[in-house]
Parts: sequence; C-alpha cells; structure tokens
Amino acid sequence: QVQLVQSGAEVKKPGASVKVSCKASGYTFTNYVIHWVRQAPDQGLEWMGWINTGNGNTKYSQKFQGGVTFTRDTSASTAYMELSSLRSEDTAVYYCARVSQLVYDYWGQGTLVTVSS
Amino acid sequence: QSALTQPRSVSGSPGQSVTISCTGTSSDVGGYNYVSWYHQHPGEAPKLLIYDVSKRPSGVPDRFSGSRSGNTASLTISGLQVEDEADYYCCSYAGIYTYVFGTGTKVTVL
Repeated sequence: QVQLVQSGAEVKKPGASVKVSCKASGYTFTNYVIHWVRQAPDQGLEWMGWINTGNGNTKYSQKFQGGVTFTRDTSASTAYMELSSLRSEDTAVYYCARVSQLVYDYWGQGTLVTVSS
Repeated sequence: QSALTQPRSVSGSPGQSVTISCTGTSSDVGGYNYVSWYHQHPGEAPKLLIYDVSKRPSGVPDRFSGSRSGNTASLTISGLQVEDEADYYCCSYAGIYTYVFGTGTKVTVL
C-alpha cells in the first residue's frame, strides 16, 4: 500500500535550518510529484510548493521562495524539505503529499517543527 | 496568492445537511475543473473527499458531494454523522503549476 512516512519532530533555535524527510513506499517514487504543505498551530493548510521526483524540477510558492529548498534522493525514494533562517513563525506541522492528476491522494503523517530560543 | 474563502464554522444536527462554500476567483476556482476537498480530524493528516469539483474517490461515502457555480465551489454533507465533525478544506489549482487552499471550516455536529 502507498505510504509516505515523515521524519520525527524537531526543535530548532531561531536562525537555524531544518531538513524534513518524506520516505515513499508502495509505488514508483519517480512517477509522482511530491508537494509540501504547512499548517501553523490552529491555522489552515498552506501550499509551499512541489518537487518533480523524476527530474528534480521544483516550484515554490512566492511566500516561501528563497527560504525553502526541496530535494529528493531517488535511490532512497525520499523527498526532503529544508527550511533555512528559521523564525518563530515557522513553527508548524509540515506535510508531504503525493499528487496524482492534480489531487493530493496520499499524505505523510506530518512533522512538527518548533522554533524556540 | 490569497487563500480561498471559507466560512469559519458550520454546524448541524445528526441527519441534517450542511454546505460549506469555497470562494475564489476566475484564476483558480472558476478557471479550472481542479477543485478538491479534504477533511482533517484533530492530530491527523488531511484526507481526500472530493476531486475535480464533484468526483468522489472510492471509499468516500456518497453523503459527501461537490459542486461549483462561477468562482464558488461547495461541499455538501447530507445525513450528517457524528464522525463528520472535523475541519474541512478546499483546494484549487491556480495556474502555472501553483495551488491554493481554502481558509478552512470547522464542522460541528450538535
């Protein structure tokens, strides 16, 4: 069965970076784009962007452009999201999600990133 | 890119119907047949309910239905059940390979 398993919760200091992983199984990793979605505490879902796991192309939301980097390791069937220059406002749950025909059909369990001094 | 507008909350008694609106623009909701709906229970990841405006994936009960008129999409839950209490989000393709989510609606079953 299709699964996206994300790395565990992180606590970081302001100004640091964090890298969240999303390991895919149950399907051919390079056949589907992976998106990243942020959810701040008690807030809604916010689209961050995507990575084409086949060719590595990326697209970032204007809001996150320059502060986030998506990468992937096809040999490990894993996508990564790295956030740099963390601020308290980056405290949130970050989800990866597989897209099939413009629909989020499978989601990771979410990774809580807490930014605190 | 602004979030799509949803009511903050809706409520209904078991067995009743509720409708959640999702208002965007001609550049997103009104411009593409790629509106989807998700529900999210506390502490869980979102789950797909409706895609392509009105299609239901296998396994989703037929009490969930989607529609659209102009720049506003709607999700109707008919025969509300206790387990339908959750947060609901719409999502639309917005062109140039970008997406936008709705502000989210909390559904309360009275």
